[in-house]
Amino acid sequence: AIQMTQSPSSLSASVGDRVTVTCRASQGIRNDLGWFQKKAGKPPKLLIYAASRLQSGVPSRFSGSGSGTDFTLTITSLQPEDFATYYCLQDYNYPRTFGQGTQVEI
Amino acid sequence: EVQLVESGGGLVQPGGSLRLSCAASGFTFSDYYMDWVRQAPGKGLEWVGRTRNKANSYTTEYAASVKGRFTISRDDSKNSLYLQMNSLKTEDTAVYYCARVSHIGADNEAFDIWGQGTMVTVSS
Repeated sequence: AIQMTQSPSSLSASVGDRVTVTCRASQGIRNDLGWFQKKAGKPPKLLIYAASRLQSGVPSRFSGSGSGTDFTLTITSLQPEDFATYYCLQDYNYPRTFGQGTQVEI
Repeated sequence: EVQLVESGGGLVQPGGSLRLSCAASGFTFSDYYMDWVRQAPGKGLEWVGRTRNKANSYTTEYAASVKGRFTISRDDSKNSLYLQMNSLKTEDTAVYYCARVSHIGADNEAFDIWGQGTMVTVSS
């Protein structure tokens, strides 16, 4: 199974900060990667698919980049509602695998 | 409104069985692949498995941790997805989510619609 390694595991940030989360795949996965936001008691929310394509309705301060093995989720100008845990997911092959998550906290 | 609603969670003893359901509305359920994803308490997200659509023969895929114990099925006439869980273990305790998989072009997919989740607790 492809291993997805996210870094950092957690980070502290302030409103207005630029935040970057990285995800590294144990083998090349083209651009077959999604990013999700997860808040307690809520289902995951799709932010980015195909590594860089913004899901409809998601604010433009979220962006994704990368291809192959290294991927990045960037949040420009962090908002109060962005404090959450973020996960990457590879959809290159089976089994699908998530990163371990990055908690963004104040 | 596009919606997925899970049901069927609860408390079950180790070794027992449980069947989860996911009712879909607001879209043509039969066109889509459907997945199950879970999150154990205090842990990250874990992909459980997938059923493809009729055009792809309803074939399934599973995570190694559940293969041989869990079975994913669907009834397109009822717009419903199911997860039959047998030989349950304490480590299967989690919130279980169903998710719609949209295919974008030939190669990409998006887990774009999620249910609210249903809690399964495996304990004696």
